[in-house]
Amino acid sequence: KAGVTQTPRYLIKTRGQQVTLSCSPISGHRSVSWYQQTPGQGLQFLFEYFSETQRNKGNFPGRFSGRQFSNSRSEMNVSTLELGDSALYLCASSLNNEGQETQYFGPGTRLLVL
Amino acid sequence: AQSVAQPEDQVNVAEGNPLTVKCTYSVSGNPYLFWYVQYPNRGLQFLLKYITGDNLVKGSYGFEAEFNKSQTSFHLKKPSALVSDSALYFCAVRAPTDSWGKFQFGAGTQVVVTP
Repeated sequence: KAGVTQTPRYLIKTRGQQVTLSCSPISGHRSVSWYQQTPGQGLQFLFEYFSETQRNKGNFPGRFSGRQFSNSRSEMNVSTLELGDSALYLCASSLNNEGQETQYFGPGTRLLVL
Repeated sequence: AQSVAQPEDQVNVAEGNPLTVKCTYSVSGNPYLFWYVQYPNRGLQFLLKYITGDNLVKGSYGFEAEFNKSQTSFHLKKPSALVSDSALYFCAVRAPTDSWGKFQFGAGTQVVVTP
């Protein structure tokens, strides 16, 4: 079974631009979570989608948004990019994201904002 | 609220020596505990998890972890470290009542194994 895939793997943008990142979960998984990883803040939860609905949201500004499609693929969008948005963005999938289920992570998208 | 702490930013160990990465948690009720490893420029890879039952959990790549309820700890161990074990290790916790909730990750511990 194929793992979680993320595209693109690397991205360079300038301040003020917007960016869209894509995540394809493991086949059969309906939950997709997004995380931002930076050296200073570690892993921070962005949001989680299940059956095309956002179920959980972390403490990020409204510039960060996402969506999930009927095939469980998810996209994350960041508008009006700031230098501080430079990070590794990770997505993780699980069946239903309940209790003892494991979250499986993709390789991440490394975003550099200049 | 749940939380997890990894008290060591970095652990240095010589190849062949035992490796221990510490994790303590705070959660209401019995926790679900996870360990992940991250190699440079890669995503997190699942190592093992504790759900219930035997306090000693065996996982991938020869790693194991011991759940200690009285000390609220879930330390990761490997009897004989390899240079290839050098990576960033994350402990994560989820409360059983926190259905479809987010994982709470620790800050991570950098493991450096020297030849």
